[in-house]
Amino acid sequence: LAKTTQPISMDSYEGQEVNITCSHNNIATNDYITWYQQFPSQGPRFIIQGYKTKVTNEVASLFIPADRKSSTLSLPRVSLSDTAVYYCLVGDIRKAAGNKLTFGGGTRVLVKP
Amino acid sequence: NAGVTQTPKFRVLKTGQSMTLLCAQDMNHEYMYWYRQDPGMGLRLIHYSVGEGTTAKGEVPDGYNVSRLKKQNFLLGLESAAPSQTSVYFCASTGINQPQHFGDGTRLSIL
Repeated sequence: LAKTTQPISMDSYEGQEVNITCSHNNIATNDYITWYQQFPSQGPRFIIQGYKTKVTNEVASLFIPADRKSSTLSLPRVSLSDTAVYYCLVGDIRKAAGNKLTFGGGTRVLVKP
Repeated sequence: NAGVTQTPKFRVLKTGQSMTLLCAQDMNHEYMYWYRQDPGMGLRLIHYSVGEGTTAKGEVPDGYNVSRLKKQNFLLGLESAAPSQTSVYFCASTGINQPQHFGDGTRLSIL
């Protein structure tokens, strides 16, 4: 499984854009990149998933360069409620054996007023 | 929509006791997983199942057993609880080409 490296923590202010970069140098051809958000006392929640280039949904954007060795999660105009831990995961979601995901330590994002 | 439901939400055990954690999903997912999360750390996979009647070991399987007798349920058992198993346990489920859906966890303390 590809190992990921992401910053331990980041601080931001309400209304700003937050960008979290994840490194995954050993990503395999069939691996997808998935980001999860976790609030205290809750299970992780899916945010966004992508394979290459750019993916956007109603809450975030995911930028993946051509070499796919890194990815950047972008959270536009964050609010206090976006304070959470964000996990970057890499794996082949199509495998019949199931997408066993390896969670690293995540990035703790603190949004200040 | 219930999604993934874990039972119980909290439990305190004494060393050596046994217990079973229940995970139920109503999304007809084939795959189910049990993770543990220790303070300040990410989730570590204990066991997983790719279908009814099948189970497999994950990253940290020792001290745990699992069963998947019904597609919608995945049980995690501790035969003889140890203090090192104090943790928050998360269950997840998914289908092919889908992200995992997680429950809200079971907080387990072993004295």
